[in-house]
Amino acid sequence: KQEVTQIPAALSVPEGENLVLNCSFTDSAIYNLQWFRQDPGKGLTSLLLIQSSQREQTSGRLNASLDKSSGRSTLYIAASQPGDSATYLCAVSSGNTPLVFGKGTRLSVIA
Amino acid sequence: NAGVMQNPRHLVRRRGQEARLRCSPMKGHSHVYWYRQLPEEGLKFMVYLQKENIIDESGMPKERFSAEFPKEGPSILRIQQVVRGDSAAYFCASSPLSGAARRMNTEAFFGQGTRLTVV
Repeated sequence: KQEVTQIPAALSVPEGENLVLNCSFTDSAIYNLQWFRQDPGKGLTSLLLIQSSQREQTSGRLNASLDKSSGRSTLYIAASQPGDSATYLCAVSSGNTPLVFGKGTRLSVIA
Repeated sequence: NAGVMQNPRHLVRRRGQEARLRCSPMKGHSHVYWYRQLPEEGLKFMVYLQKENIIDESGMPKERFSAEFPKEGPSILRIQQVVRGDSAAYFCASSPLSGAARRMNTEAFFGQGTRLTVV
């Protein structure tokens, strides 16, 4: 059974810092991994999708990497801004199961 | 092209009442997934439907919960005789592809969710 863990559960950083969010999964036989952003009381916004054959994806200040063999992904946020404050969710797609989510990392960027 | 539409956004029900949550997938999408998010928890899969068919309901509680996706109209998640433990955010996602093709390709598109509060 696939399990997804995100560390840390919460993170507070000053504006301008670069930061890394971690995601690990127990079954490395995944098809893809997706990072989402969730604002309080809101829905999910897809940030980056990494196929199992890929090592990383970039979008603006965001870079997501995938090491399938070790069951890990990282989301790197450069030059953080207060507007980046949100919960970041990692989800994997594997086998016949729909997306399996981690519990998220709650990020606060302090101005 | 509107995204995945869920309504209502907020729903308050008294214990014992029925809750109906609606999800209209993106245009051209015929596959719908429902997830539940409890406070401070990640999203948990509930059910996967295609038009007029339930494909995977392994995440659905055995009692009081049901889902449908009729040929016409939105997908409906129905919770009968709600209890306080049903209070959560319920999210719907849609995809244009079958489960097999979906695994190989597409990102998931989510609605804004329905926040159910049982009082």
